Amino acid sequence: EPEVTQTPSHQVTQMGQEVILRCVPISNHLYFYWYRQILGQKVEFLVSFYNNEISEKSEIFDDQFSVERPDGSNFTLKIRSTKLEDSAMYFCASMLEEKLFFGSGTQLSVL
Amino acid sequence: EDQVTQSPEALRLQEGESSSLNCSYTVSGLRGLFWYRQDPGKGPEFLFTLYSAGEEKEKERLKATLTKKESFLHITAPKPEDSATYLCAVFTGGGNKLTFGTGTQLKVEL
Repeated sequence: EPEVTQTPSHQVTQMGQEVILRCVPISNHLYFYWYRQILGQKVEFLVSFYNNEISEKSEIFDDQFSVERPDGSNFTLKIRSTKLEDSAMYFCASMLEEKLFFGSGTQLSVL
Repeated sequence: EDQVTQSPEALRLQEGESSSLNCSYTVSGLRGLFWYRQDPGKGPEFLFTLYSAGEEKEKERLKATLTKKESFLHITAPKPEDSATYLCAVFTGGGNKLTFGTGTQLKVEL
């Protein structure tokens, strides 16, 4: 069964460093998303991406965040200068026909 | 602003003891209500989408129902492997994103 793949599963970084989280969405899906979940809190929307551009973004998704689909398969989330409060589980998701499927996540720890 | 509230926050059941989880919502223009299962350290796993009041969907021991204000996830004769956090989320006409509730943490004991 097709699935959304995320790498790495864990990422530890120093505050102020740049990180890139990678995702391979399900191949025939059209919408791509990043969500995050801080430990013990709800899953929060960050950004949606459709037709090679950002469709919608939340207040969390400020100038420190960016997304790219550099080729036909990968979808990346970049955080330019990480802060302690960016520590969370980041989930990539892709959607077709209003069914949204999530990857297993990247646990980001900012020290 | 879209709001999703789930109750209870946590639920402990004995194996075979049926129960229901609640998801109430306040949204503008519901396009779909989603149920997910989340195991610790994992991504949400898709269970159901419901689109209109009166709709029901079933999968093994789970049945989801929808009214104009809330949805229920009924668990019949649960087993320990049903232990997980169950998340409700709404997909609304205002955008192409899901808004999640905080989830119900279910533990099923032998």
